[in-house]
Amino acid sequence: SYEVTQPPSVSVSPGQTASITCSGENLGHKYVCWYQQKPGQSPVLVIYADAKRPSGIPERFSGSNSGNTATLTISGAQAMDEADYFCQAWVRNTVVFGGGTRLTVL
Amino acid sequence: QITLKESGPTLVKPTQTLTLTCTFSGFSLTSSGVAVGWIRQPPGKALEWLALIYSDDDKRYSPSLNSRLTITKDSSKNQVVLTMTDMDPVDTATYFCAHCVVYTDSLRNYFGSWGQGTLVTVSS
Repeated sequence: SYEVTQPPSVSVSPGQTASITCSGENLGHKYVCWYQQKPGQSPVLVIYADAKRPSGIPERFSGSNSGNTATLTISGAQAMDEADYFCQAWVRNTVVFGGGTRLTVL
Repeated sequence: QITLKESGPTLVKPTQTLTLTCTFSGFSLTSSGVAVGWIRQPPGKALEWLALIYSDDDKRYSPSLNSRLTITKDSSKNQVVLTMTDMDPVDTATYFCAHCVVYTDSLRNYFGSWGQGTLVTVSS
């Protein structure tokens, strides 16, 4: 079965750029979404179709996808961005989630 | 504004069947370009997709759980129901339903709105 892999954790200093990766075979040939989940809350979509931002999502969130890796980039990370981030792709009409990455802003 | 809310038992015994209901508003499951999905999350763990039902009643299931899952919809009540048979303690999780925006190529589909989730514990 198809799998996508994320690093368990990423740390970033406030104001710096955080990059969270999602890897899978030929992932660049699929569309990737990213969800942010804060403790005790439901996931929130922050990126869809590799690089599109839903309304209300700050411009500091951006996405890219090429080759075997999709990347969520948070430019000028803020304390409020500390959360778990999950990538998601569609594979043969089924949904695959990554294992999640905990972003720490410190 | 799209809202979804999950309801069902908070505690089930091993081998029992779980039935969860997602009641939604702000969209119609009779319109094209719409689907509702179920996703679960064991405590402290990752999201796991379970099932999806499209407005045309097409259904998709997680390959690993396919034999245990059934998803149905009642568009007149704005509800989607998920049943999972033969529950086990490893199925203890928060279960979410989510509104899915559907594209014709399906590859760009995304879950744009989520319910608050409901914690289901499996224990004797």
